[in-house]
Amino acid sequence: EIVLTQSPGTLSLSPGERATLSCRASQSVSSNYLAWYQQKPGQAPRLLIYGASSRITGIPDRFSGSGSGTDFTLTISRLEPEDFAVYYCQQYGSSPRTFGQGTKVEIK
Amino acid sequence: QVQLQESGPGLVKPSETLSLTCTVSGGSISNYYWSWIRQPPGKGLEWIGYIYNSGSGNTDYNPSLKSRVTISVDTSKNQFSLKLSSVTTADTAVYYCARSRNLDYWGRGTLVTVSS
Repeated sequence: EIVLTQSPGTLSLSPGERATLSCRASQSVSSNYLAWYQQKPGQAPRLLIYGASSRITGIPDRFSGSGSGTDFTLTISRLEPEDFAVYYCQQYGSSPRTFGQGTKVEIK
Repeated sequence: QVQLQESGPGLVKPSETLSLTCTVSGGSISNYYWSWIRQPPGKGLEWIGYIYNSGSGNTDYNPSLKSRVTISVDTSKNQFSLKLSSVTTADTAVYYCARSRNLDYWGRGTLVTVSS
């Protein structure tokens, strides 16, 4: 089973600042099948990025994904008020699919 | 626009079987992966399993739940289902259904509480 470790656990930033979220895998993610999701309180997760770096239609371009193999990053270039949420990475290249434990981006 | 909606009992007794259905609208249920994911209150996401509705109906389950989980699909109703047997309080969670390998569409989730 691939274990995904996200860091930091909590990121305290102000609107307009840059957020850098890390997701490290215990072994290489097949075909870079790594996705990022955003979850707000009381809502279902929403897919932002798939294939490590492909943005879903309708997701603002301030969200970008990068990385390969075992190290992946989600970057939010300039935080908007609606971006404060919990972010999860997930690998879907091998079984069982696994999620990271999440990074909470909170307002400083 | 594809929409998913979970339905089923919100309360299940310990040792009984949790049964949920996900109804898909706005698109075909054929030739996609259909997954179940759960989230205990205040905690992170756990993948339960998926079924690939391509005729063969291949399934894959989380090893930690495999002995208790069954996922099936009813193409005629555009629905797929989850059964989780012998539940305990540890199975209390919001249960989500979702489409595709990269979970591009999600239902809103349904809270299932296991309690006597």
